Amino acid sequence: GAVVSQHPSWVICKSGTSVKIECRSLDFQATTMFWYRQFPKQSLMLMATSNEGSKATYEQGVEKDKFLINHASLTLSTLTVTSAHPEDSSFYICSARDPLANQPQHFGDGTRLSIL
Amino acid sequence: AQTVTQSQPEMSVQEAETVTLSCTYDTSENNYYLFWYKQPPSRQMILVIRQEAYKQQNATENRFSVNFQKAAKSFSLKISDSQLGDTAMYFCAFMILYSGGGADGLTFGKGTHLIIQP
Repeated sequence: GAVVSQHPSWVICKSGTSVKIECRSLDFQATTMFWYRQFPKQSLMLMATSNEGSKATYEQGVEKDKFLINHASLTLSTLTVTSAHPEDSSFYICSARDPLANQPQHFGDGTRLSIL
Repeated sequence: AQTVTQSQPEMSVQEAETVTLSCTYDTSENNYYLFWYKQPPSRQMILVIRQEAYKQQNATENRFSVNFQKAAKSFSLKISDSQLGDTAMYFCAFMILYSGGGADGLTFGKGTHLIIQP
């Protein structure tokens, strides 16, 4: 079945650092990918919709200059957390859907981001 | 905007019992999917079951079944013969489906922490 790969799975870095997270669809082309954030003991919240070849669409309250999204190919979307601060520490998870196969969204395994 | 409500923050049952998790949603859309996802401590999102809104028949996957009441906007999950491995967070989720195959991101409920006691 369809698989979504996300890297890295865990990253610890100093405040002020920028961190890039990759999300790849391994056996299908994804014109659209989604990025979610999950704080401890909370649900997943959609941050943005990543569109191949065009600008991402951000949900209300998500800073587009803080969370840069690039979807340069049909199998890769990246989320860059710029100048990360401790409050950005969270679990970030991506998903993608193969529209041709009428499949539900498939999730990556997530990235645990810890900013010191 | 769509909303998904899970009113049970935590539930606990004995192994082998049947348990039902509730979910209600609100939308003005007519074409959508509903899902139940399981999230164990590893935080991996595992699809348990899905339901297309246009289908009247309730979805079933082995021990998991749903009671989909479209008019009432209700989508409950029944787990039969519960097992220790069913212990996890369970999230109800909603997705709008567009003609041509496009879809929105998922809207999740707050989740229910299900504990299966030995």
